[in-house]
Amino acid sequence: AQSVTQPDIHITVSEGASLELRCNYSYGATPYLFWYVQSPGQGLQLLLKYFSGDTLVQGIKGFEAEFKMSQSSFNLRKPSVHWSDAAEYFCAVGTGGGNKLTFGTGTQLKVEL
Amino acid sequence: SAVISQKPSRDICQRGTSLTIQCQVDSQVTMMFWYRQQPGQSLTLIATANQGSEATYESGFVIDKFPISRPNLTFSTLTVSNMSPEDSSIYLCSVVGGRHEQYFGPGTRLTVT
Repeated sequence: AQSVTQPDIHITVSEGASLELRCNYSYGATPYLFWYVQSPGQGLQLLLKYFSGDTLVQGIKGFEAEFKMSQSSFNLRKPSVHWSDAAEYFCAVGTGGGNKLTFGTGTQLKVEL
Repeated sequence: SAVISQKPSRDICQRGTSLTIQCQVDSQVTMMFWYRQQPGQSLTLIATANQGSEATYESGFVIDKFPISRPNLTFSTLTVSNMSPEDSSIYLCSVVGGRHEQYFGPGTRLTVT
């Protein structure tokens, strides 16, 4: 069965600093991978996705993620964090043709001004 | 992208009662999903609801507890039956758009007392 691990429950960074959120997955085939963000009181918003092709994918809000098959990882990065990026971030793997999502436990990002 | 609305946005219910959550999409979609997010936890898929067929439930979820209707391509309901405090969660519906992108509704925050 597929699984997703986000080893960091909480991360605090200073505004303007770079960010990397870790995600490791377990799946027996080529995965569909996603990053979502959930702001307080808000629904889930898709940041970016990977299906195939270029392993470095660009998303919204200046985020990018790199798929590394050898490490079963799909880490999310941003070169300069803004205070509005404070939220919870979920990594997910899609099965069933990419449509059934299994989520990681999430990483809560706090941004210090 | 799809615009999804859910009703109610939140509710407080007594144990032993049932609540029906509605999910409305602004376009016709084949696949709809229902997720549960327990307090401080990640999202867990409850079931897949395709129009014209019975919902498919994930391990640990049963139809008697979470009956689902999917009468047309823009609407679905999830009922949480015979509620207990352990059912206190956010319930989200989602739909699949183009290229396996999954869009989520704003969620229904349920508190069972």
